[in-house]
Amino acid sequence: DTEVTQTPKHLVMGMTNKKSLKCEQHMGHRAMYWYKQKAKKPPELMFVYSYEKLSINESVPSRFSPECPNSSLLNLHLHALQPEDSALYLCASSQDFGGAGLLDPYNEQFFGPGTRLTVL
Amino acid sequence: EDQVTQSPEALRLQEGESSSLNCSYTVSGLRGLFWYRQDPGKGPEFLFTLYSAGEEKEKERLKATLTKKESFLHITAPKPEDSATYLCAVQAWETSGSRLTFGEGTQLTVNP
Repeated sequence: DTEVTQTPKHLVMGMTNKKSLKCEQHMGHRAMYWYKQKAKKPPELMFVYSYEKLSINESVPSRFSPECPNSSLLNLHLHALQPEDSALYLCASSQDFGGAGLLDPYNEQFFGPGTRLTVL
Repeated sequence: EDQVTQSPEALRLQEGESSSLNCSYTVSGLRGLFWYRQDPGKGPEFLFTLYSAGEEKEKERLKATLTKKESFLHITAPKPEDSATYLCAVQAWETSGSRLTFGEGTQLTVNP
């Protein structure tokens, strides 16, 4: 089973709202990722959690706040977003987030279906 | 800096007309090259991982190959359901962990 699930599928929110995106995987993966994808562009990395600790924050604005409650769950808390934040938000997981030089053959990232976010 | 260039940007084929998509890469020590398929409004679906030059992998009508500078995704006798955007991504040994560098993708349309 290589399934990553995301909820909700669609989300419309105003600039003053607070909402959360949720992601779950039951593959025993220890690395989880948040990506943002604009139309006709490849996914852009936002955050990486490795063993439930934040490993990478790609200089994402603080209005996006990630959380990893346990090894299977990943949340993205949203607050005071701007219309330009409208995009497809993707969650992904991989067996590990191997450091540079480590032999890690099982490092494929598996993506969820995404949450289509519209900020009005 | 790692770079991935995919060509063509868009490709239209007739059903049964075989062709190839190209992914050229520049990376300081290739750890892995990945192919994904993405349908509109959905997340990328993992297809293949290639690790070393000369490696080939197949899945149904798709075959991925790898050289030291590029990868090809060969599509044999495509069907309309193969229409999607195909993304290529690389991982480098010297960058942080399993970070992916994506190409811009090739949008494939297969007409019946």
